[in-house]
Amino acid sequence: SAVISQKPSRDICQRGTSLTIQCQVDSQVTMMFWYRQQPGQSLTLIATANQGSEATYESGFVIDKFPISRPNLTFSTLTVSNMSPEDSSIYLCSVDGVLGVYGYTFGSGTRLTVV
Amino acid sequence: TQLLEQSPQFLSIQEGENLTVYCNSSSVFSSLQWYRQEPGEGPVLLVTVVTGGEVKKLKRLTFQFGDARKDSSLHITAAQPGDTGLYLCAGDGSSNTGKLIFGQGTTLQVKP
Repeated sequence: SAVISQKPSRDICQRGTSLTIQCQVDSQVTMMFWYRQQPGQSLTLIATANQGSEATYESGFVIDKFPISRPNLTFSTLTVSNMSPEDSSIYLCSVDGVLGVYGYTFGSGTRLTVV
Repeated sequence: TQLLEQSPQFLSIQEGENLTVYCNSSSVFSSLQWYRQEPGEGPVLLVTVVTGGEVKKLKRLTFQFGDARKDSSLHITAAQPGDTGLYLCAGDGSSNTGKLIFGQGTTLQVKP
């Protein structure tokens, strides 16, 4: 399966600032997914990032708040903009099955605290 | 809208006990996946079930996919403290977009 490097692993940020989270995959993948998760709870999909096209956002998430870049098939970034305490959460990137492995691989997550 | 109802949400048991986690939906899924997540880590895939009625075993874990492909269960035999974690079921959405639909998760605590 793919190996995902996600950073930073955690950060404490001031409200009103922005944080960019990076996700690097060790193999080329078509789709990358960004999720948000409250500790101990399930995952909510923010958007799907495809290389060479605009990201597709889920209901309740907008590009101005969560701009995404996908410059190539192994890398993506998610920016959390103009942060408020409500944005405090764990953010995870994920890729779909690689090399025939039927399942998703997740990064280790970024724990964000906004103060 | 496809939904996955996962139960129970919390489970605290003693080492050696058995348990079952359920994942139910009114929708048909082409496949269902089970993940386990530990604090500070991302979810890790345990198994994918694809065929209705399929049963897969992974050591002490047994996964079953319902005949109608609308539900799944995870059974753990003789739970160990190392089984502690958040268990998530997830299904492939019907629109073939590659997106996963997650259940609410089951937090399992196994006490020594």
